[in-house]
Amino acid sequence: QVQLQESGPGLVKPSETLSLTCAVSSYSISSGLYWGWIRQSPGKGLEWIGSIHHSGRTYINPSLKSRVTISVDTSKNQFSLKLSSVTAADTAVYYCARRDGINWFDPWGQGTLVTVSS
Amino acid sequence: EIVMTQSPATLSVSPGERATLSCRASQSVSSNLVWYQQKPGQAPRLLIYGASTRATGIPARFSGSGSGTEFTLTISSLQSEDFAVYYCQQYNNWPLTFGGGTKVEIK
Repeated sequence: QVQLQESGPGLVKPSETLSLTCAVSSYSISSGLYWGWIRQSPGKGLEWIGSIHHSGRTYINPSLKSRVTISVDTSKNQFSLKLSSVTAADTAVYYCARRDGINWFDPWGQGTLVTVSS
Repeated sequence: EIVMTQSPATLSVSPGERATLSCRASQSVSSNLVWYQQKPGQAPRLLIYGASTRATGIPARFSGSGSGTEFTLTISSLQSEDFAVYYCQQYNNWPLTFGGGTKVEIK
């Protein structure tokens, strides 16, 4: 069954860029589905960041659009998130997930905590 | 953006009892709503999609209902493994949005 695993630095300095990668196993990203990033912070609960198709087409949350880049690497069967100009408000657990059905997420990766602090 | 409001924030229920959780949308989302369950230290798990269809492997004690702006998740007889936080998510409009969650705790 499909598995997703997030990876990246757990600590990012304010004003820098947060970079995470989601490795997908037991399923080809090129099979045609969308893949998403969601974050969870104590202050804002669950927040959808954006989704990407293997073709590169993306949908990004307008509240983050100016700072978010999502990309896909089909050769490595993974997709990535970059969030620029981070502040403490971007401290959260970041999840990657497969978009299932019309537009929900199943399954999810285990999540990775990213703390923004100097 | 569509705002999803869940109530109550916390629900105290005894094992074996019924739990009823509510999710309200700020505008109609038709039946484009899912429910997730999240246990401490784990990622959310899909329970219900299309407002009322159980996901694969989800026990029959979980049921969803509603359409438009009012939705309900019912757990007919709470088991020990059901104590968790439950979230709704709408997928009728961009951006996708989640409710703030209902924590179901042991009474």
